[in-house]
Amino acid sequence: EIVMTQSPLSLPVAPGEPASISCRSSQSLLHSNGNNYLNWYLQKPGQSPQLLISLASDRASGVPARFRGSGSGTDFTLTISRVEADDVGVYYCMQGLQTPLTFGGGTKVEIK
Amino acid sequence: EVDLVESGGGLVQPGRSLRLSCTTSGFIFGDYAMAWVRQAPGKGLEWLGFIRTKTYGGDAVYAASVKGRFTLSRDDSKRIAYLQINSLKTDDTALYYCVRYPSGFFDFWGLGTLVTVSS
Repeated sequence: EIVMTQSPLSLPVAPGEPASISCRSSQSLLHSNGNNYLNWYLQKPGQSPQLLISLASDRASGVPARFRGSGSGTDFTLTISRVEADDVGVYYCMQGLQTPLTFGGGTKVEIK
Repeated sequence: EVDLVESGGGLVQPGRSLRLSCTTSGFIFGDYAMAWVRQAPGKGLEWLGFIRTKTYGGDAVYAASVKGRFTLSRDDSKRIAYLQINSLKTDDTALYYCVRYPSGFFDFWGLGTLVTVSS
């Protein structure tokens, strides 16, 4: 089983400031087809998770450009260039390379 | 617009069974694998399993923690995915999400249906 480890656990950020979340996998998520099977989700308070980033760096439809996914292999980062109040919630990374599909423990982003 | 609506949750006694449904609209249901993810109160996300399209065999793959007790199925004519849960345990108490699974990621999530297992 691929273990996903996120850091930090909690991330207070002032509005307009950047934020970065790290996600590490216990095995490489790089497929032979060249894709990294790493996804990012945001679960806003009281809502279902929503897809932000798939395949490490592909923003989902409607996701603002301030969200950027990067990384390859076992180390990945979600960066928010300028945090807005609407960005609060729990961010999860998830690997889609092999079953069992596994999630990171989550990073709670809050506004200072 | 893609829409996934879960139903069938509720309060159930340990040892009983439950069938959850996921009614879909807004896309060609038969073209997509479907998956289920649950979230225990105050906890993170746990993948339970997915069911492939008929084109790819229509079989299901399960997480080890639920294999043997959980069964996924689908009715393409009704555009519904199902999750049958047998021998319910208190640890199964969670919000159960139906998700669309193109390949490698979940792109749309339902609002979830709450299952509470208690005597």
